[in-house]
Amino acid sequence: AQSVAQPEDQVNVAEGNPLTVKCTYSVSGNPYLFWYVQYPNRGLQFLLKYITGDNLVKGSYGFEAEFNKSQTSFHLKKPSALVSDSALYFCAVRYMDSNYQLIWGAGTKLIIKP
Amino acid sequence: GAVVSQHPSWVICKSGTSVKIECRSLDFQATTMFWYRQFPKQSLMLMATSNEGSKATYEQGVEKDKFLINHASLTLSTLTVTSAHPEDSSFYICSARWSGSYEQYFGPGTRLTVT
Repeated sequence: AQSVAQPEDQVNVAEGNPLTVKCTYSVSGNPYLFWYVQYPNRGLQFLLKYITGDNLVKGSYGFEAEFNKSQTSFHLKKPSALVSDSALYFCAVRYMDSNYQLIWGAGTKLIIKP
Repeated sequence: GAVVSQHPSWVICKSGTSVKIECRSLDFQATTMFWYRQFPKQSLMLMATSNEGSKATYEQGVEKDKFLINHASLTLSTLTVTSAHPEDSSFYICSARWSGSYEQYFGPGTRLTVT
């Protein structure tokens, strides 16, 4: 069965430190992987995606993610966290052979402390 | 670019009444639109997928007669919650994609409270 796992409900990072939000997946075939962010009282915003090509993808707001096929992971990273990065982050993978429907992780709450 | 709006942003209705939520793509033609529910502190649950001019495809367990979805044009989809009950209270979110895009773009969501 296809699935996405975000093993951490919450991640706490001090401002200025690097951050990582973890995501692992289980799909058949080549995965299409996505990260979205949800700020309080705002809609989900697309951050970045991996479809093919370079394993390191760069996205909005200085975020990047690394696709690791052997570990079936797609961790979200940022070299230096900002307090404004505090939000709920979702990893998602496309259902294979679907109409671009996504399977969603449970979400990880990222808290950046000043 | 890629802006999706939803209206209303919040609505309170009485049990037994129907509520319509609109989802619009403002600056692109949405060949596919999706409707989700999000419960507090939980992930998104896909309710249905709709292509313009076609009937919506509902996920298992979603009552199609209760959650009516219409994707009448390339910029508008509507979700009607019929005969709403308190258990239908939730945060409903729509998203859209255009032909050739891999990612979805999301509306801000609609908070429905049924009393």
